[in-house]
Amino acid sequence: DIPMTQSPSSLSASVGDRVTITCRASQSISTYLNWYQHKPGKAPKLLIYAASSLQSGVPSRFSGSGSGTDFTLTINSLQPEDFATYFCQQTYSTPTWTFGQGTKVEIK
Amino acid sequence: QVQLVESGGGVVQPGRSLRLSCAASGFTFSSYGMHWVRQAPGKGLEWVAVIWYDGTNKYYADSVKGRFTISRDNSKNTLYLQMNSLRAEDTAVYYCARDQSRQYMDVWGKGTTVIVPS
Repeated sequence: DIPMTQSPSSLSASVGDRVTITCRASQSISTYLNWYQHKPGKAPKLLIYAASSLQSGVPSRFSGSGSGTDFTLTINSLQPEDFATYFCQQTYSTPTWTFGQGTKVEIK
Repeated sequence: QVQLVESGGGVVQPGRSLRLSCAASGFTFSSYGMHWVRQAPGKGLEWVAVIWYDGTNKYYADSVKGRFTISRDNSKNTLYLQMNSLRAEDTAVYYCARDQSRQYMDVWGKGTTVIVPS
């Protein structure tokens, strides 16, 4: 397994803010890194795959970057519907997968 | 539309068994690998198991290996998770998810809750 460490574990932000979440792998995973959004009682939603590719239908205010061990999810101009928990996931060690512990984005 | 709907969750005593189902619709189920992922209360997501599109390969997280079995019936567009010897630490919401070339999970269900009292 490749442990994934997200930071921060939670943050408070206001509508319109720019939010940055980081994910660090314990070893290089190239760009085998995905980001998901999860709201309580809802299905998790894929936002970014392969570190920086935007999933179809996801607003362009979401972006991803990074390679190797360090990755970033950025939300530009946070919207009310963006308050949720965000998870990173590595798929380098297929056929086993690991997630980060999550970052909860709350309303300030 | 593309949809996954889990069912079969409930309260089950330690050591007992439970079978979860995931009904797929809106896409060619037999063309995709499928995963089970769970989230324990207050915890993050944990990958549980994967099955190849044709059922030929199956892989499990160490935490469930030997106790859980993933399977599928492509004629019924349904994915299963047979959970045996359940433990309190298996308490979680269980999600099924569609695999995209073993690179990411692009469609998820809303989950079904399994509670194993301690």
